[in-house]
Amino acid sequence: QSVLTQPPSVSAAPGQKVTISCSGSSSNIGNNYVSWYQQLPGTAPKLLIYENNKRPSGIPDRLSGSKSGTSATLGITGLQTGDEAAYYCVTWDDSLSAWVFGGGTKLTVL
Amino acid sequence: EVQLVESGGGLVQPGGSLRLSCAASGFSFSSFWMTWVRQAPEKGLEWVANIKQDGAEKYYVDSVKGRFTISRDNAKNSLYLQMNSLRAEDTAVYYCARLDYYGWRNYAFDPWGQGTLVTVSS
Repeated sequence: QSVLTQPPSVSAAPGQKVTISCSGSSSNIGNNYVSWYQQLPGTAPKLLIYENNKRPSGIPDRLSGSKSGTSATLGITGLQTGDEAAYYCVTWDDSLSAWVFGGGTKLTVL
Repeated sequence: EVQLVESGGGLVQPGGSLRLSCAASGFSFSSFWMTWVRQAPEKGLEWVANIKQDGAEKYYVDSVKGRFTISRDNAKNSLYLQMNSLRAEDTAVYYCARLDYYGWRNYAFDPWGQGTLVTVSS
């Protein structure tokens, strides 16, 4: 049981938009920054979003992040088959003194 | 190019020990917090441990406290994870990652190594 809750899977057609939610509490998302990672099959995770909504260089603006209260959201527009991957949210938990990951969301581009 | 390369994984019996290494290059290793994250087969990511730049502060997930030790050698640009009393549930790919700093309490895991597989089985 992950501290951060993500939907196990989402799907959408190529060209469409999808959002992935990440729900936590006041001790984690509510009081700390959230980052998001993409893990393509058989590869290491890759940073997509940091500081809730900022993209590292090289990450396209089709990807966006937001945070409100104790929840965060990753948005992907203009879906491509290459976006099929698992996506994880991460933040620090003040009560646990630990980094906590969401359970991951598998994105399928139909 | 910033790069992290893990090594030391393998097959070990329950109760055994293993030491993982992570060789860093392309950045000032001694200036960053470093971390280990693992992923059990067909499961999600789980943070394992953190270590401060000078090694003075370390944090662990509860399930490995007292069994795993994170350490670093800044002179060798290397991060380590000593794993003792291994259990079947420790079977996973272990990734090292740099904790990139963006401001007060503002970090992200970037980049990641390619991972090394640890299998605990008799």
